[in-house]
Amino acid sequence: DAKTTQPTSMDCAEGRAANLPCNHSTISGNEYVYWYRQIHSQGPQYIIHGLKNNETNEMASLIITEDRKSSTLILPHATLRDTAVYYCIVRAPNTGTASKLTFGTGTRLQVTL
Amino acid sequence: GAVVSQHPSWVICKSGTSVKIECRSLDFQATTMFWYRQFPKQSLMLMATSNEGSKATYEQGVEKDKFLINHASLTLSTLTVTSAHPEDSSFYICSASGGPYNSPLHFGNGTRLTVT
Repeated sequence: DAKTTQPTSMDCAEGRAANLPCNHSTISGNEYVYWYRQIHSQGPQYIIHGLKNNETNEMASLIITEDRKSSTLILPHATLRDTAVYYCIVRAPNTGTASKLTFGTGTRLQVTL
Repeated sequence: GAVVSQHPSWVICKSGTSVKIECRSLDFQATTMFWYRQFPKQSLMLMATSNEGSKATYEQGVEKDKFLINHASLTLSTLTVTSAHPEDSSFYICSASGGPYNSPLHFGNGTRLTVT
């Protein structure tokens, strides 16, 4: 699976948009970009994923550059409950069965008052 | 939908004993489940891929005789830590997907194992 690079930590004021960048310059054409987050002492929570088009759901937006070498996760109105470690993962598909996720070190987002 | 349940959420055991952790997909069937381990202040590390009805596939460096995985049905996988030692103390997390290959994996809330 392609390697990802994320900043170690970021701060965001509550109510503001949190923009979390991720570099994945070696991504292959069939690999998806996934975002998960992990709140302390819990299992990771799925946020969003995409292949090449921008995606939006009730939690966040995912912006993928045209060359697919980087992406940005946007939390439009961060709250204190969004404080977590955010993982950007490039996932290679299997044929027929679910493929694994390989976690990097992620970005620790601290949302402050 | 897509809920993964783990049990127990925490367990304390004595050195030399075995501990079984259950992972259930509550509202979907999972042919494949994944077991991860996370040490304090570190990221998740994949231990093994559990396949229903067949042997698990272990990552390099993970002892298959120590970490026994059984995936007897499409909704249940178990991880047994045999002859546990203090260095096995960790946060164990399972995940599963109910859809096609690029469907998101959903994670349980983890099991914190402390070996004394």
